[in-house]
Amino acid sequence: GESVGLHLPTLSVQEGDNSIINCAYSNSASDYFIWYKQESGKGPQFIIDIRSNMDKRQGQRVTVLLNKTVKHLSLQIAATQPGDSAVYFCADFSSLQGTSYGKLTFGQGTILTVHP
Amino acid sequence: DGGITQSPKYLFRKEGQNVTLSCEQNLNHDAMYWYRQDPGQGLRLIYYSQIVNDFQKGDIAEGYSVSREKKESFPLTVTSAQKNPTAFYLCASSISRRYGYTFGSGTRLTVV
Repeated sequence: GESVGLHLPTLSVQEGDNSIINCAYSNSASDYFIWYKQESGKGPQFIIDIRSNMDKRQGQRVTVLLNKTVKHLSLQIAATQPGDSAVYFCADFSSLQGTSYGKLTFGQGTILTVHP
Repeated sequence: DGGITQSPKYLFRKEGQNVTLSCEQNLNHDAMYWYRQDPGQGLRLIYYSQIVNDFQKGDIAEGYSVSREKKESFPLTVTSAQKNPTAFYLCASSISRRYGYTFGSGTRLTVV
């Protein structure tokens, strides 16, 4: 069936290092992907998105890479800070019944821990 | 400020009781969604609504019910038929596919 999943459930880094979080998806029809950050006891927050007609998109300290050939996404966080510690989810966005609205399918998530 | 408000933040339910979780948004979004999150897991879709007075089942709708009488409100009722209701419940809304979702801060439901 369709799924969006992550390779690594946990990632520990030192403050100042770069972090890379990976995600695989199986639905070849997926054309829009979003990365969310979720802190403990809170709702997910949008980080960055990318459409299938792009290979790379950059934000502030974050970069998302998309490899459609192998159905793989990655989120790169530059100069990781303790405040970046959270669970990171990738999500696949697919249309609902041909409307302009969509359904997000989430992966399991990766726990990122940043040590001072 | 515009946003989504979920209440209460914590909710305790006795066996056999129905409980209702509130979700209100002032973003003027047409679509609203309910997700369930279990520890160490991703989010799973319970119900969604694209317009007022219309809603559809998601992947895990059994034991839940919703209503959408107003654009701003999308309450979720966890019924006694839901055998394992303890979880973190998240409400979200979207204006369209282009912009993804905005999430509320969640309600943690515990059966006592």
